[in-house]
Amino acid sequence: QVQLVQSGSEVKKPGASVKVSCKASGYTFSDYGITWVRQAPGQGLTWMGWISSYSDNTNYAQNLHGRVIMTTDTSTNTAYMELRNLRSDDTAIYYCARNLSGDAFDVWGQGTVVTVSS
Amino acid sequence: DIVLTQSPGTLSLSPGDRVTLSCRASQTVSSNYLAWYQQKVGQAPRLLISAASSRAPGTPDRFSGSGSGTDFSLTIDRLEPEDFAVYFCQQYATSPLTFGGGTRVE
Repeated sequence: QVQLVQSGSEVKKPGASVKVSCKASGYTFSDYGITWVRQAPGQGLTWMGWISSYSDNTNYAQNLHGRVIMTTDTSTNTAYMELRNLRSDDTAIYYCARNLSGDAFDVWGQGTVVTVSS
Repeated sequence: DIVLTQSPGTLSLSPGDRVTLSCRASQTVSSNYLAWYQQKVGQAPRLLISAASSRAPGTPDRFSGSGSGTDFSLTIDRLEPEDFAVYFCQQYATSPLTFGGGTRVE
């Protein structure tokens, strides 16, 4: 079946970087893009950006101020999201989701908890 | 940015009730690229409706979406126990993609 499996929880100090992985299975990876969404504790959903799995084109949310890098590895059907210069307000659950450009997010990963604390 | 406002914030209902959730956009959502997601505690969101009114595969037919332009709604006929969750609307027409703040159905 189609699924996205994300890497495990992370605890990081302010100023550090985190890299979350999202491994796809059950579909042709290069046919879809991957979107990243985060959810702070008790809060709503925030779109972080999107990467095409076939062209590596990206579209990032401006409010991340250039701290995010999204990549894909088509040899392992895995997408990655790296967030640099972490701050305490980056503490959140990070989700990857599958979508075509200009379409809704039809399959989601299970989420990765990232905690930023000194 | 397109701001999506969901109302009400919380609804207290009973199984069997019919409920309509509202999502209002600060500007027109082109092509009615508006989706609804359900999120249960401790779980990832799940796509219910795309393009304002198209049910995603596996979405029960008691869920229906409607609306266009700036006003959209999600209706659940005959609430089932498993429908008690938070519902988010999202526009995917214009970058940055944005979500509403959610409506909790309890």
